[in-house]
Amino acid sequence: GEDVEQSLFLSVREGDSSVINCTYTDSSSTYLYWYKQEPGAGLQLLTYIFSNMDMKQDQRLTVLLNKKDKHLSLRIADTQTGDSAIYFCAESMGDYKLSFGAGTTVTVRA
Amino acid sequence: GAVVSQHPSWVICKSGTSVKIECRSLDFQATTMFWYRQFPKQSLMLMATSNEGSKATYEQGVEKDKFLINHASLTLSTLTVTSAHPEDSSFYICSAEESLGTGVNEQFFGPGTRLTVL
Repeated sequence: GEDVEQSLFLSVREGDSSVINCTYTDSSSTYLYWYKQEPGAGLQLLTYIFSNMDMKQDQRLTVLLNKKDKHLSLRIADTQTGDSAIYFCAESMGDYKLSFGAGTTVTVRA
Repeated sequence: GAVVSQHPSWVICKSGTSVKIECRSLDFQATTMFWYRQFPKQSLMLMATSNEGSKATYEQGVEKDKFLINHASLTLSTLTVTSAHPEDSSFYICSAEESLGTGVNEQFFGPGTRLTVL
């Protein structure tokens, strides 16, 4: 977890966009992932991006990757109450082991 | 998506006893499974990589004699916490790897097992 850093908390109003940021240190990362964890549950893969891509969009989710700055972000458009969860970014370096950040707790308020 | 189950979902045990946690891939075969440990409000820490039919690979600092891993089939891996102590209390999560056919191997995560050692 120490190689991947995230802010710990984000509060957002329902209907607004959420942006969760992540920085990583290993420039040899091949894939970067965003996972969602709801209370008491395991992790659900939301999306991933290959390291040679700058952006990936999947419905309400937009992932931006700045490889030069080793910065990854996840934007959730039209945030809903069901989006309240902990979001983890993770990197893998080709051996498919994942290194996770500490997670960002997103709270959606009405 | 693929489904991974864990059993039990929670367990409370006395100090000194051993606890076995099962991880199953329900609708796919997983040659590789991973075991993680998660402390409250912290990230997942990889404990070991479990390969079917061979010995598990443990991460630095994880005692292999303390955390026994067996991956006897393509759909089942078990983690046994031997002689559990209160400091072993944690949320244990497994994942099973499936190839997406795009060069990406996705890890599907189980729901986790909450272990409390009294």
